[in-house]
Amino acid sequence: IQMTQSPSSLSASVGDRVTITCRASQSISTYLNWYQQKPGKAPKVLIFDASSLQSGVPSRFSGSGSGTDFSLTISGLQPEDFATYYCQQSYNTPRTFGGGTKVEIK
Amino acid sequence: QVQLQESGPGLVKPSGTLSLTCAVSGGSISSRNWWSWVRQPPGKGLEWIGEIYHSGSTDYSPSLKSRVTISVDKSKNQFSLKLISVTAADTAVYYCVGDSGHPPENWFDPWGQGTLVTVSS
Repeated sequence: IQMTQSPSSLSASVGDRVTITCRASQSISTYLNWYQQKPGKAPKVLIFDASSLQSGVPSRFSGSGSGTDFSLTISGLQPEDFATYYCQQSYNTPRTFGGGTKVEIK
Repeated sequence: QVQLQESGPGLVKPSGTLSLTCAVSGGSISSRNWWSWVRQPPGKGLEWIGEIYHSGSTDYSPSLKSRVTISVDKSKNQFSLKLISVTAADTAVYYCVGDSGHPPENWFDPWGQGTLVTVSS
């Protein structure tokens, strides 16, 4: 299953609402996870099963979608949110990731 | 809290074999369903390499299947990756990863810190 993220990068300001989209090449129900990765660090799960917030993740992060189209929204971007975000499907193997979206400071 | 730590050579010669081990601490390797390896070439995205069930059954990426072996050693609470016939394209940060949730509602967590393996003569 191919996962396509858009945009590949974006510039935003602190306080902005940011939305990243992820499209699967076939229906994956809600078996979609979102990760945040900062430079030199391992990825960290933010959202699992399309819309479930991982424990300890701020509530400004939210996920939605089902089937083939999904989105990750950050409501009120904070300085620590500047990072690269990846979607990943868990519907089947091979487990596949989107190409990533780099969120940069405007 | 389960923690993972990768270890192995940071430099491998072309056509050689890349071997990495992931030590699991803070819990039993049987506490998770699946253990995976994920890699990330410098400046690029994430690629799933394969996974092993704690009982020993495996599943690999089709693009790497002919060159990859993942194994588990319950007595040492660790699992390992072996990649043969490496080329420069295999240069990447390699992460060992645990599985949370229950398939197919599962996700990658926890992650090791990652180890850079460079393929060069």
